[in-house]
Amino acid sequence: EPEVTQTPSHQVTQMGQEVILRCVPISNHLYFYWYRQILGQKVEFLVSFYNNEISEKSEIFDDQFSVERPDGSNFTLKIRSTKLEDSAMYFCASSEWGRTEAFFGQGTRLTVV
Amino acid sequence: AQSVTQLDSHVSVSEGTPVLLRCNYSSSYSPSLFWYVQHPNKGLQLLLKYTSAATLVKGINGFEAEFKKSETSFHLTKPSAHMSDAAEYFCVVSGGYNKLIFGAGTRLAVHP
Repeated sequence: EPEVTQTPSHQVTQMGQEVILRCVPISNHLYFYWYRQILGQKVEFLVSFYNNEISEKSEIFDDQFSVERPDGSNFTLKIRSTKLEDSAMYFCASSEWGRTEAFFGQGTRLTVV
Repeated sequence: AQSVTQLDSHVSVSEGTPVLLRCNYSSSYSPSLFWYVQHPNKGLQLLLKYTSAATLVKGINGFEAEFKKSETSFHLTKPSAHMSDAAEYFCVVSGGYNKLIFGAGTRLAVHP
């Protein structure tokens, strides 16, 4: 069964450093997303991406964040100058055109120290 | 704006007894609603979805949910809990094609 894969599963980084979280969406999906879940809090929408551009983003997704589809299979989330409060589980998801349900990866646990 | 409220943060049941996880939604239009499950150290798995077809939706692992427009509810049920059902369950509403809006989650504990 096709699935969304994320790497790495865990990442520890020092405050102020840049991190790149990587995702391989399901191959025939056209919409891609990043969500995050801070420990003990709700899963929050960050950004959606379609046709090589951001289609919607939340207030959380400020200039510190960027997304890219560098090739035909990968979808990345870059966080510049990480802060302690960026520590969270980051989920990548994808969906087919015209479908509202999304399929999620296993997540990347980011710890900023 | 779309939102969901999960009425219980924790639910504890005995193995073999019914499960009820409650969710109310708010939507300015006919919503798409979902239940996702998150097992410890795992990703988010789609359990079932409602997209304006049948109001009683069957999902994986014996779960089902009923859409009740008059009550703005979408409660998740299972007739008989299994130990492997212990997990966190999220009620989710679609905020359009571009995003999903999650409830706070209900942690289900199943004891022998």
